[in-house]
Amino acid sequence: QVQLVQSGAEVKKPGASVKVSCKASGYTFARYAISWVRQAPGQGLEWMGCSRAYNGNTNYAQKFQGRVTMTTDSSTSTGYMELRSLRSDDTAIYYCARGTYDFFPWGQGTLVIVSS
Amino acid sequence: QSALTQPASVSGSPGQSITISCTGTSSDIGGYDYVSWYQQHPGKAPQLMIYDVSNRPSGVSNRFSGSKSGNTASLTISGLQAEDEADYYCCSYAGSTVLFGGGTELTVL
Repeated sequence: QVQLVQSGAEVKKPGASVKVSCKASGYTFARYAISWVRQAPGQGLEWMGCSRAYNGNTNYAQKFQGRVTMTTDSSTSTGYMELRSLRSDDTAIYYCARGTYDFFPWGQGTLVIVSS
Repeated sequence: QSALTQPASVSGSPGQSITISCTGTSSDIGGYDYVSWYQQHPGKAPQLMIYDVSNRPSGVSNRFSGSKSGNTASLTISGLQAEDEADYYCCSYAGSTVLFGGGTELTVL
């Protein structure tokens, strides 16, 4: 079945970077995009951007421009999201999902805690 | 761009129908037929319930339906069941970006 499995929880200090991975299985990875959505504690969903595995193109939400990099590696069917210059308000669950504007399936989520 | 607007909460009794609205603008909901809806139970990842305004993925109950009129999209759940109690989020393509609604908490009384 189509499945996305994300890397484990991370604890980072303010100013550091985090890189989350998302390994896909059950479909042809190169035909789709991987998008990233985050959810702060008790809050709603926030789209961060996407990386298209078929051509490498990316789109980022304006809020994260310059601070985020999303990539895909078709040789390992894995998507990556790196967020730099972390702040306390970046504490959230980060989800990957297949697709560009509708998302199925979703990964299980990766908790990133930013704390000094 | 601002998030899409959803009611914070809705409620209904088992067997009843409820509708959750999602209001945007002509730059998002009104401009594209790319509205999707997600169900999220506590501590779980979101799950796609409706895509492209009114299409149901395989495996999603036909009690869930979606529609759109102008800049407002709607999710209707008929024959409410206890398992439908969850948070629901709308989502729309908006050109080079994607917007989510703030989420609606559904309580089954």
